[in-house]
Amino acid sequence: DQQVKQNSPSLSVQEGRISILNCDYTNSMFDYFLWYKKYPAEGPTFLISISSIKDKNEDGRFTVFLNKSAKHLSLHIVPSQPGDSAVYFCAARNTGNQFYFGTGTSLTVIP
Amino acid sequence: GAGVSQSPSNKVTEKGKDVELRCDPISGHTALYWYRQSLGQGLEFLIYFQGNSAPDKSGLPSDRFSAERTGGSVSTLTIQRTQQEDSAVYLCASSFGGGLNTEAFFGQGTRLTVV
Repeated sequence: DQQVKQNSPSLSVQEGRISILNCDYTNSMFDYFLWYKKYPAEGPTFLISISSIKDKNEDGRFTVFLNKSAKHLSLHIVPSQPGDSAVYFCAARNTGNQFYFGTGTSLTVIP
Repeated sequence: GAGVSQSPSNKVTEKGKDVELRCDPISGHTALYWYRQSLGQGLEFLIYFQGNSAPDKSGLPSDRFSAERTGGSVSTLTIQRTQQEDSAVYLCASSFGGGLNTEAFFGQGTRLTVV
C-alpha cells in the first residue's frame, strides 16, 4: 500500500514561473519529510526537508510546505530554471527511521 | 570515498543466472536501504537494515531476493535465478539513523539488465 503518493507523474512550467509539486501521505506518524531530485543515470540527491513540527521551510528558490491536518506536502520552486528539469521524489520518514518514497513527478522547465 | 558507492554500475546477465550487487555506505551510517526503480516507475522499497536489529525485509518481491549487511557496513543484494522483470536500477542509500533529522544519501545505482 502506497503510503506516500505523488498523483502528478509530470509537470511542465515556463522558465521564470513557479513550479508546484504536490505530495500526499497516509501515515500520521511520519515525523520528517524530504524532497529529492533525480537526474537520469544518477541516484536521487537530497533537496530540502521539513520536520513535522514546522509548516514551512525555505532554502533559496525552494520552499517546502507541510499541512499536517491534510497530510499534504508541497514543493515550490520560484523562479523555475531549465536546470530544475528532473524527477522529484517526495519522501517521508517514520519513527523507526524507515523512508517511504512517492512515485515521482517529472518536471520540465521550458526555456 | 565520501559518498555511497555501488558496484557494478551496470550489469547484464542471462535469465536464470544469479547476481550480486554491492553497496558501500557512508562511514558511520547505521541505517542502510535498498530500493529499485523499474522503467517508468517510482522508487520501490526492498529492504532496510538498522544497526544490529533484524532487517525489515517486507519489500523483497520474492524469495529469490536476499540481502546481507556484514559488520554493520557493506551490504550485498543477491538475486537468484534472475528473471526479465528483475531488470531495473537498484539503488542503495544510507543514513545516520536514530532520531536525527538527516536525509538518506543515495549511491548512483546499479543498472541490471536481464536478457
